[in-house]
Amino acid sequence: GAGVSQSPSNKVTEKGKDVELRCDPISGHTALYWYRQSLGQGLEFLIYFQGNSAPDKSGLPSDRFSAERTGGSVSTLTIQRTQQEDSAVYLCASSFPSGGSRRQYNEQFFGPGTRLTVL
Amino acid sequence: GNSVTQMEGPVTLSEEAFLTINCTYTATGYPSLFWYVQYPGEGLQLLLKATKADDKGSNKGFEATYRKETTSFHLEKGSVQVSDSAVYFCALSGLGMNTGFQKLVFGTGTRLLVSP
Repeated sequence: GAGVSQSPSNKVTEKGKDVELRCDPISGHTALYWYRQSLGQGLEFLIYFQGNSAPDKSGLPSDRFSAERTGGSVSTLTIQRTQQEDSAVYLCASSFPSGGSRRQYNEQFFGPGTRLTVL
Repeated sequence: GNSVTQMEGPVTLSEEAFLTINCTYTATGYPSLFWYVQYPGEGLQLLLKATKADDKGSNKGFEATYRKETTSFHLEKGSVQVSDSAVYFCALSGLGMNTGFQKLVFGTGTRLLVSP
């Protein structure tokens, strides 16, 4: 498609259930990012993929959170045993890979997000 | 660690008013600085960026200057329109762990409401 897509757009779940959030990046973008926006918080980085590998998972808040990417394209963020504090908007972004130079920044294109509500 | 602080909203203005949204940052090294905008029902979009001190980013009438001496990147527009109503996020890029990728650190966002 023309942009980054995410599904579902809204998800309501009960505490303790597992959820899967999906991200379809822009075709050709090898870098993929997950962020989380909680009420009153800024956007927090969760994880970064380059191709199918995740060299930086430092933002995942607990071991209940995991993510995978297959075929260098679609990514799934899984939250196990959801808690109420997991309620947030989960954003996915993709880009061409950036280099190590501070000037070599490739724009990250964001999807519309998935709003997760844990009751 | 790296962090971004921006003014809390909402900021409420009449059409054609002057806009300033303050943003300051704390960072090691030489980050790039960004303003992102999120229109209602849409994803985040890059509005403008600056990659080194004294650079001015500009787009759609918005401007921001990278001020290293004051660690600031304030967003300004001379005459806002109703269509500018959105949430604005200040961000910086820092190197991700174990990689060279550019990891974005965001402020909490400032909602702008422009009335006719």
